[in-house]
Amino acid sequence: NAGVTQTPKFRILKIGQSMTLQCAQDMNHNYMYWYRQDPGMGLKLIYYSVGAGITDKGEVPNGYNVSRSTTEDFPLRLELAAPSQTSVYFCASTKRGGADEKLFFGSGTQLSVL
Amino acid sequence: GENVEQHPSTLSVQEGDSAVIKCTYSDSASNYFPWYKQELGKRPQLIIDIRSNVGEKKDQRIAVTLNKTAKHFSLHITETQPEDSAVYFCAASITNAGNMLTFGGGTRLMVKP
Repeated sequence: NAGVTQTPKFRILKIGQSMTLQCAQDMNHNYMYWYRQDPGMGLKLIYYSVGAGITDKGEVPNGYNVSRSTTEDFPLRLELAAPSQTSVYFCASTKRGGADEKLFFGSGTQLSVL
Repeated sequence: GENVEQHPSTLSVQEGDSAVIKCTYSDSASNYFPWYKQELGKRPQLIIDIRSNVGEKKDQRIAVTLNKTAKHFSLHITETQPEDSAVYFCAASITNAGNMLTFGGGTRLMVKP
């Protein structure tokens, strides 16, 4: 198993541009998450999904959108990028989401908005 | 919603000494408390977790204690080694709530050889 795969690893955007961060998992996990990690800070939940076709907002959803058309994929869309979205983005997944199972994280996407 | 505070933000110890990182949480309904380790430039990885029906859990040099009454939990690392140097995050969540983990701000642990 590849686990959780994120692309791209690095990206520089200009203010106002848009992009999609890709996330895929091959572990048949039903719960998937997007976190952002600002320098020297903890992880903030952006969006999450409990299964295909179902998504919900986390703590910091403004400026982002997600979709979950399949169990494997959970892309994060940034519309009209702003400097405040400069961060490292982690996608994660877990099997049942029963709150007692570990999160498997992707390797992260480092995004700079200039 | 849940709020998790973590202290200290940085911790420097000599190799072989013990390290203690403390977290407090606000939601008394939280019942699952994992700890993640993040090495520089890497993804976070689970190192130990504890549920609310247990007061202490140990795995080799790592232990976690939980005080539900005071709403705080701690990570204890004994006989620290240079490879323990990393950022450690505590988190809290409520079982069956979609594993909506709320993370603390992190502690950068530096183990000096």
